[in-house]
Amino acid sequence: SAVISQKPSRDICQRGTSLTIQCQVDSQVTMMFWYRQQPGQSLTLIATANQGSEATYESGFVIDKFPISRPNLTFSTLTVSNMSPEDSSIYLCSGAGTGGITEAFFGQGTRLTVV
Amino acid sequence: AQKITQTQPGMFVQEKEAVTLDCTYDTSDPSYGLFWYKQPSSGEMIFLIYQGSYDQQNATEGRYSLNFQKARKSANLVISASQLGDSAMYFCAMSAGGTSYGKLTFGQGTILTVHP
Repeated sequence: SAVISQKPSRDICQRGTSLTIQCQVDSQVTMMFWYRQQPGQSLTLIATANQGSEATYESGFVIDKFPISRPNLTFSTLTVSNMSPEDSSIYLCSGAGTGGITEAFFGQGTRLTVV
Repeated sequence: AQKITQTQPGMFVQEKEAVTLDCTYDTSDPSYGLFWYKQPSSGEMIFLIYQGSYDQQNATEGRYSLNFQKARKSANLVISASQLGDSAMYFCAMSAGGTSYGKLTFGQGTILTVHP
């Protein structure tokens, strides 16, 4: 299965600033996704990162707050903009392979704390 | 829309015993996949096992097996011979077909604690 390298693994940021999280896959993947996991909660899908076009956002998430890029089939970034303490969460990217979804694999996650 | 329900917030098991983590799902899509993930305190999501809606046999991966009962819409995870390292959060998830391909809907999770 493919491996996703996600960085940074953790960060502590000041409110009002922005943080960009990167995910690099070691092989081409059809689909990439970004999830948020708030403290003590389950994972919630933020958006689908589409190669060469704008991301598709889920209800409750907007591009101005979570801009996403996907310039090719192996790389994507998520920016958390104008951060507040409520953005403190684990952010995870995932990928689904071209051979059919028998495994959706994840990056190691970014543990973000906003102070 | 898809929904995953895990009704066990926490489970305890003795080392070397088997444990079943419950998961029920709801979808109107005839084609879907069911996943189980383990999340240790580090936060990473570790893929454990996958079951496709058209698979005739229950999936198995080492000590993990998935008890798939399609008519009851349940996909319980069975961990045999529990180890201390199995202590973690476990999530059940589903991906439907069509335009939802690859998107995962997660349950609330079950915290498993393995006692020595």
